[in-house]
Amino acid sequence: GAVVSQHPSWVICKSGTSVKIECRSLDFQATTMFWYRQFPKQSLMLMATSNEGSKATYEQGVEKDKFLINHASLTLSTLTVTSAHPEDSSFYICSARAVAGGYEQYFGPGTRLTVT
Amino acid sequence: EDQVTQSPEALRLQEGESSSLNCSYTVSGLRGLFWYRQDPGKGPEFLFTLYSAGEEKEKERLKATLTKKESFLHITAPKPEDSATYLCAVQGNQAGTALIFGKGTTLSVSS
Repeated sequence: GAVVSQHPSWVICKSGTSVKIECRSLDFQATTMFWYRQFPKQSLMLMATSNEGSKATYEQGVEKDKFLINHASLTLSTLTVTSAHPEDSSFYICSARAVAGGYEQYFGPGTRLTVT
Repeated sequence: EDQVTQSPEALRLQEGESSSLNCSYTVSGLRGLFWYRQDPGKGPEFLFTLYSAGEEKEKERLKATLTKKESFLHITAPKPEDSATYLCAVQGNQAGTALIFGKGTTLSVSS
């Protein structure tokens, strides 16, 4: 149980285009979903927290107009990287916290974004 | 300020050589301490939640323990497939709903 999927698993896009990443909780409903960014050999960096039906809360230094987050249902959140640039290339990971559960977060497999 | 420090940063073991990873934390009102395993290029995999000092959890060769200031992840007779980065995180009262992560310990087990 507690499976989270992400799609796509990897994506290459050209500079200036937008990319959407989907995060789904497959076997549970998630009150809250989180988006992280991870650079090579570094720990997770929280980008934003989203609750179903509400606006996302962004961490300091994260551009909300560049990283658009939508949490339209209890099983789906999306991250759209708008006008992507090479510096946005990274490993993006989502996680979800169950409606009926503790504070555990269950992570997706991650999405590798490369902007050329 | 809530903080998590993991040590060592890297650990190399021979197959069968037991050891422990440390996670020291300071947090305002611990609601939970979590251990995750992360393989390269993948998302973290949930291992354990510990809620109060004295609590212990076990899963195969792994055993997690908790005191008021730190947690240990004991690895008994490790195998090469246990090689991964192990992440510790805490949930406190003042961090809202966000977990505070340590930087992880990268474990390498050689046969």
